[in-house]
Amino acid sequence: QVQLVESGGGVVQPGGSLRLSCGASGFTISSYALHWVRQAPGRGLEWVAILSYDGSNEYYADSAKGRFTISRDNSKNTLYLQMNSLRAEDTAVYYCARERYSHSWYYGLDVWGQGTTVTVSS
Amino acid sequence: EIVLTQSPVTLSLSPGERATLSCRARQSVSSFLAWYQHKPGQAPRLLIYDASKRATGIPARFSGSGSGTDFTLTISSLEPEDFAVYYCQQRSNWLYTFGQGTKLEIK
Repeated sequence: QVQLVESGGGVVQPGGSLRLSCGASGFTISSYALHWVRQAPGRGLEWVAILSYDGSNEYYADSAKGRFTISRDNSKNTLYLQMNSLRAEDTAVYYCARERYSHSWYYGLDVWGQGTTVTVSS
Repeated sequence: EIVLTQSPVTLSLSPGERATLSCRARQSVSSFLAWYQHKPGQAPRLLIYDASKRATGIPARFSGSGSGTDFTLTISSLEPEDFAVYYCQQRSNWLYTFGQGTKLEIK
């Protein structure tokens, strides 16, 4: 069964750090680009970051640039998001998702996890 | 950053009716656009990729069209389970954005 499962969410104070994990099963992450997407309370979906299948390309939304780092451990079939200098506006449900990346087509994000909740509050 | 604007913000329809959702990009995204359905407490679900191709397992009542800057998601005859929030999303040079969403509610 193809599945992504996020973990690592919780409550953290402003300025603090948190590392999210996304474990994959039923497929090998080394064949896919992987994303983090978030949804703040009462808001829409916001793309956060992407890491290419081979780890050679990583890109971030402006809101995450310089504070968040996306990484992967193919041996553990797991994606990570290291979040530093957290702010109240980072409070959200964080989803990981996969993309079958092609330069010629856009296949969309076809498998998503159920999300993990991050709350930044003092 | 390419901004996507979805309209309407809210669409009130009855089961059996046809729904037409719009997504407009501030600049061309070619066909690099996808549509998602999102229900509370669930993961988003990919409906349409590459602007007009149905994802695996998606019913034929869902269809996508458009290219460049103007895109449409059509649901030909609404089923009760179709009432949800719908997002378009684009990819351009490794950067991605979502539209703000259209809430499809029961009239």
